[in-house]
Amino acid sequence: DARVTQTPRHKVTEMGQEVTMRCQPILGHNTVFWYRQTMMQGLELLAYFRNRAPLDDSGMPKDRFSAEMPDATLATLKIQPSEPRDSAVYFCASGFWTGRNTIYFGEGSWLTVV
Amino acid sequence: QKEVEQNSGPLSVPEGAIASLNCTYSDRGSQSFFWYRQYSGKSPELIMFIYSNGDKEDGRFTAQLNKASQYVSLLIRDSQPSDSATYLCAVNGDTNAGKSTFGDGTTLTVKP
Repeated sequence: DARVTQTPRHKVTEMGQEVTMRCQPILGHNTVFWYRQTMMQGLELLAYFRNRAPLDDSGMPKDRFSAEMPDATLATLKIQPSEPRDSAVYFCASGFWTGRNTIYFGEGSWLTVV
Repeated sequence: QKEVEQNSGPLSVPEGAIASLNCTYSDRGSQSFFWYRQYSGKSPELIMFIYSNGDKEDGRFTAQLNKASQYVSLLIRDSQPSDSATYLCAVNGDTNAGKSTFGDGTTLTVKP
């Protein structure tokens, strides 16, 4: 059963600490997305990659967030330093781009910054 | 104006009724349209996609697309309490290499 795998599932951290979230996309998918979901803002696209190359990270606060794909099986989202306003659910999603694509979400990383 | 707009709801329908969920989008170049269902505390789950004007049916679900009006809808027939969830509309433009923009979702409650 192919699925997008995210770790950690839950994280509570103190303000100022570094947080790294990891995502293993579905094998064979060439596009990976990072979304953030909050009650106030809904589902926001932070960044996405195709064939490991970043295509758009305009939704991401550049001063503290960074996203990378060190290889085809791993995408990372890092926050340094973390702030309470970063508390949210972070979803990774993957798909195979053919001119049209459907994407599949991981279970999310629930982040609380205190 | 948001790129993808949905009625936030909540929308409440009795069991067995038809639930109608609506979505409008601003990018006329949009080519692909998706409906996701999200249960509380869970991740979004794809339930329908539609690319061409008209209707597309899958079981109790029908997606309707009108590109001229920049409007997409989801009908759920014979609604069940298990359909109670938030429904997210997502839109992909042809020029943005597959970036999916989501609406804020409509919360549906189906009452037994």
